Amino acid sequence: GAGVSQSPRYKVAKRGQDVALRCDPISGHVSLFWYQQALGQGPEFLTYFQNEAQLDKSGLPSDRFFAERPEGSVSTLKIQRTQQEDSAVYLCASSLGAGRVNYGYTFGSGTRLTVV
Amino acid sequence: ILNVEQSPQSLHVQEGDSTNFTCSFPSSNFYALHWYRWETAKSPEALFVMTLNGDEKKKGRISATLNTKEGYSYLYIKGSQPEDSATYLCASRTGTASKLTFGTGTRLQVTL
Repeated sequence: GAGVSQSPRYKVAKRGQDVALRCDPISGHVSLFWYQQALGQGPEFLTYFQNEAQLDKSGLPSDRFFAERPEGSVSTLKIQRTQQEDSAVYLCASSLGAGRVNYGYTFGSGTRLTVV
Repeated sequence: ILNVEQSPQSLHVQEGDSTNFTCSFPSSNFYALHWYRWETAKSPEALFVMTLNGDEKKKGRISATLNTKEGYSYLYIKGSQPEDSATYLCASRTGTASKLTFGTGTRLQVTL
C-alpha cells in the first residue's frame, strides 16, 4: 500500500481482556517497529523486526505483550489480560532499510487503546 | 545528556511569527537524528533525517540544524501558518541500534 496501515484505529477493552493490534507496513519494507505512546509522553520503543525475525524486544513492558511478524510483512501486537496502564496509542513504523542503513521511517496513524 | 529532551514543551505563536525549538540528545555513539511533525489523528510525518555534524536541512519554511559534538538540534519555522500547528518530535539513533529514542515533543499552536 501507499502507507503504513494500522487497525483498529480505536479499541476499548475491559480490564483483563486480550487485544490484538494489526500493522500493515509498506510493501517491501524490511524493518518494522512498534512504539507505545502514553499521554503526555513521547513514543517509547517496544520491539523491532527485520523481516520475520524479532531482533529486539527489549521495550516490551511485560510478558503480557507479544508481537509477531510470521511472513515478514503484516505484524500483530498482542496484549493479554489488559491493564489500565496499557492505555496508550500504539504506533507501528516501517523502513526500507535494516541495521546501519539510514533510511527514514514511515509511521501509521496508530491504534488508540483505552482499557476501562 | 542521557535521554532525548525537547524544549519548550508547548508554544503558542501568531500567524507570521518565526519560531524555533530545541532537541538535546546523547552525543556519544550518535548515528542519526530524526524530526517528525505529528498532527492530531494523523500519522507522524517525517521532516528530516540528519547525520553529519553541521548539517543543515530545509523543507519549505522549515529548516533544521545539527550539532553532534554537543548533542543538539534546532528546528526553525519561518512565518508560521495555522497549518503548522502540530506536535514536533525529535528522535535519535545511537550505536548499532535501529530503534529511535524520542523526546516528548513540542506542541506548537499557531493562531490568526
